[in-house]
Amino acid sequence: AQSVTQLGSHVSVSEGALVLLRCNYSSSVPPYLFWYVQYPNQGLQLLLKYTTGATLVKGINGFEAEFKKSETSFHLTKPSAHMSDAAEYFCAVSEDYGQNFVFGPGTRLSVLP
Amino acid sequence: SQTIHQWPATLVQPVGSPLSLECTVEGTSNPNLYWYRQAAGRGLQLLFYSVGIGQISSEVPQNLSASRPQDRQFILSSKKLLLSDSGFYLCAWSDSPATEAFFGQGTRLTVV
Repeated sequence: AQSVTQLGSHVSVSEGALVLLRCNYSSSVPPYLFWYVQYPNQGLQLLLKYTTGATLVKGINGFEAEFKKSETSFHLTKPSAHMSDAAEYFCAVSEDYGQNFVFGPGTRLSVLP
Repeated sequence: SQTIHQWPATLVQPVGSPLSLECTVEGTSNPNLYWYRQAAGRGLQLLFYSVGIGQISSEVPQNLSASRPQDRQFILSSKKLLLSDSGFYLCAWSDSPATEAFFGQGTRLTVV
């Protein structure tokens, strides 16, 4: 069965600092991996996804993530945090022949001035 | 382009009252459809998913049910709401597991 863990339910960074949000997954077959962002009282918006090919994936708003099969990880990074990055971030996994997306518990990112 | 509509945006209902939340998708056919619930400060819990008309899979035993009367319509219902049904309900669709899920704007349900 698939599962996703996100280390740190709350991460705080200073404006301009590196953002690193951690995601580890378990999957019995090659996974598809996703990062979503959620602003208060809104739906989830896709930041980036990994399906096949290049393991370093670039997304919107300057975010990127690297798929590391040996570490079963898909950590999200951004070189320089902006105040507008403050939100909830969710990592998700899915598989071929599966029907569902399994989400991690989420990490709330705070950006301090 | 594809769009997903979910309504209402907010809802306050008394305990014991019925519930009907509706979600419709435009611009695609035979999508996979999902209902998630997000409790305060918690992640997303998959409630139901559907791969076709009349085909509903339930992930969690609860006070809720789902129906898919048309290809692009997904309805979440309850006959009698409980306080524990309060939360943020999200509808989503996808073409396949290899493509992302697209989410509606959500419904904030408060049961009082």
